[in-house]
Amino acid sequence: QVQLQESGPGLVKPSQTLSLTCTVSGGSISSGNYYWSWIRQPPGKGLEWIGNINYSGSTEYNPSLESRVTMSGDTSKEQFSLKLSSVTAADTAVYYCARDHLHGSGSSYFDSWGQGILVTVSS
Amino acid sequence: DIQMTQSPSSLSAPVGDRVTITCRASQSISSHLNWFQQKPGKAPKLLVFAASNLQSGVPSSFIGSGSGTEFTLTISSLQPEDFATYYCQQSYSTPFTFGPGTKVDIK
Repeated sequence: QVQLQESGPGLVKPSQTLSLTCTVSGGSISSGNYYWSWIRQPPGKGLEWIGNINYSGSTEYNPSLESRVTMSGDTSKEQFSLKLSSVTAADTAVYYCARDHLHGSGSSYFDSWGQGILVTVSS
Repeated sequence: DIQMTQSPSSLSAPVGDRVTITCRASQSISSHLNWFQQKPGKAPKLLVFAASNLQSGVPSSFIGSGSGTEFTLTISSLQPEDFATYYCQQSYSTPFTFGPGTKVDIK
């Protein structure tokens, strides 16, 4: 049973860079069957997909955040990371990492999630 | 981006009721539609993938259907543990997008 766990600072100052890591246990980020995503949820609001990284290290980002987002992976540690630069209060949210299972039909679905980490942007 | 809408935004129903949530996409997404359940303070949980496929371990009372632009999630008999917020999500094209959610409360 794969498990995902987010880690990183819970408080970031405006204009700085938010950095989070997701550690995967019970699975491998280099498996060809999965992509690895970051999703966020502002308090009391809905879900927003930030982007993903695949087994070869290729990334795809939400155009709404693309200019500020960088994702990377470390297969030796079974970790993948998110960096979001120039943060503002609007970036305050619970950040989730999730496994994106590639389905045979060409679709995909988020079948495993971390517990989430609240990141507050405030001075 | 593909826009997802859900109706109703909230509903109240008693235990044992049959409830249906509708999700609509701004363009055809074939069957690339997933449903999630989220309880307060918890991560979303996958219920149904590819419109009608029940995720392993999810009760058969959850039924997904639809294709193209209109989809439904039906709970055939509402149980106390089903009170939560439900989200649809399209995986047809990036950026992946979610519906705004439907909150299901106890009546």
